[in-house]
Amino acid sequence: AQSVTQLDSQVPVFEEAPVELRCNYSSSVSVYLFWYVQYPNQGLQLLLKYLSGSTLVKGINGFEAEFNKSQTSFHLRKPSVHISDTAEYFCAVSDPQGGSEKLVFGKGTKLTVNP
Amino acid sequence: GAVVSQHPSWVICKSGTSVKIECRSLDFQATTMFWYRQFPKQSLMLMATSNEGSKATYEQGVEKDKFLINHASLTLSTLTVTSAHPEDSSFYICSASDQGGIYFGPGTRLTVT
Repeated sequence: AQSVTQLDSQVPVFEEAPVELRCNYSSSVSVYLFWYVQYPNQGLQLLLKYLSGSTLVKGINGFEAEFNKSQTSFHLRKPSVHISDTAEYFCAVSDPQGGSEKLVFGKGTKLTVNP
Repeated sequence: GAVVSQHPSWVICKSGTSVKIECRSLDFQATTMFWYRQFPKQSLMLMATSNEGSKATYEQGVEKDKFLINHASLTLSTLTVTSAHPEDSSFYICSASDQGGIYFGPGTRLTVT
């Protein structure tokens, strides 16, 4: 069975500072990895995804993530955050063989960007 | 890009009544759709996989007789919460996929009073 651990439930940061949101996964098979953002009372928006190839994945809004197979991690980073980045961020994993559309989510990290 | 819509966006119902939530893929056909539930300040939990033309597949612990799923066409799946109780109050989100990726609906906020 797959699982996702987001180590930080809340991350406060000042505007224009860098941020890293941590995500570790466990799986006995190869995985697809995703980061989604959720603004209050809205659905999920895909930030980026790793399916194969380059381990450094660039997404929307200046975010990027690096897949590290040896550490089973997929941490999300942004070099300089804005107030508008305040939201809930979810890391997710799926099994390419067993139904790649079925996602297992972490518990989320609430990013708060302060002025 | 592909768009998934949900209707209604929010609904309030009385305990004991049933409520239907629709999930539509607006510009693509989806053989499979997924229903998730999200409690306040928690993650999304997969409830069931909705298969067009066949029965839904429910995750362990999800009551299939309480959460009725119908996938009547390639663009529409419905989730009916039967005999709703206050503990069913939650944010329900559907997703659908095509070759381009997985797309989530905006969610439906259900409040049972």
